[in-house]
Amino acid sequence: AIRMTQSPSSFSASTGDRVTITCRASQGVSNYLAWYQQKPGKAPKLLIYTASTLQTGVPSRFSGSGSGTDFTLTVSCLQSEDFATYYCQQYYSYPYTFGQGTKLEIK
Amino acid sequence: EVQLVESGGGLVKPGGSLRLSCAASGFTFSSYSMNWVRQAPGKGLEWVSSISSSSIYSYYADSVKGRFTISRDNAKRSLFLQMNSLRAEDTAVYYCARFYDILTGCLDYWGQGTLVTVSS
Repeated sequence: AIRMTQSPSSFSASTGDRVTITCRASQGVSNYLAWYQQKPGKAPKLLIYTASTLQTGVPSRFSGSGSGTDFTLTVSCLQSEDFATYYCQQYYSYPYTFGQGTKLEIK
Repeated sequence: EVQLVESGGGLVKPGGSLRLSCAASGFTFSSYSMNWVRQAPGKGLEWVSSISSSSIYSYYADSVKGRFTISRDNAKRSLFLQMNSLRAEDTAVYYCARFYDILTGCLDYWGQGTLVTVSS
């Protein structure tokens, strides 16, 4: 199975900050990479797919990049509603796998 | 509006069985492949199983292979997960989720989840 490793696992930031989360795959997944946001007690929400395509309705302050094994999710100007846990997911091959998550907390 | 509503969770003893259901509405269910994804308490997401739109193909995580069976009834717009030989480590919230499209394996709509607790 392809292992997805996110970094950092958690960190604190302030409203207005620019933040970047990294996701690394144990083998190449081309651009078959998605990012999700999850808030406590809620289902995950799709933010980005094919590594850089913004899902409909997702604010443009979110962006994704990367290909192969290294990917990033960037939030250009953090808003209060962005404090949540973020997961990457590869869908290059079964079994589909998620990263362990990155918890973004308010500083 | 796309809606996915899971049901069937509950408390079950180790070695027991449970059948989860997911009722879909707001889209042409028979045109989409579907999934189950779980999340143990305080842990991350784990993909469990996928099934193609016509049930020809199904896939499983190694952790559930041979114990869980995914199925669907397109006429009833429903997805199922039959879980046998349950273990404590199967305790989780189970989400039903839709594939974005036939070529894209990301999950664009999710249900609210149903909690399965395996404990004696």
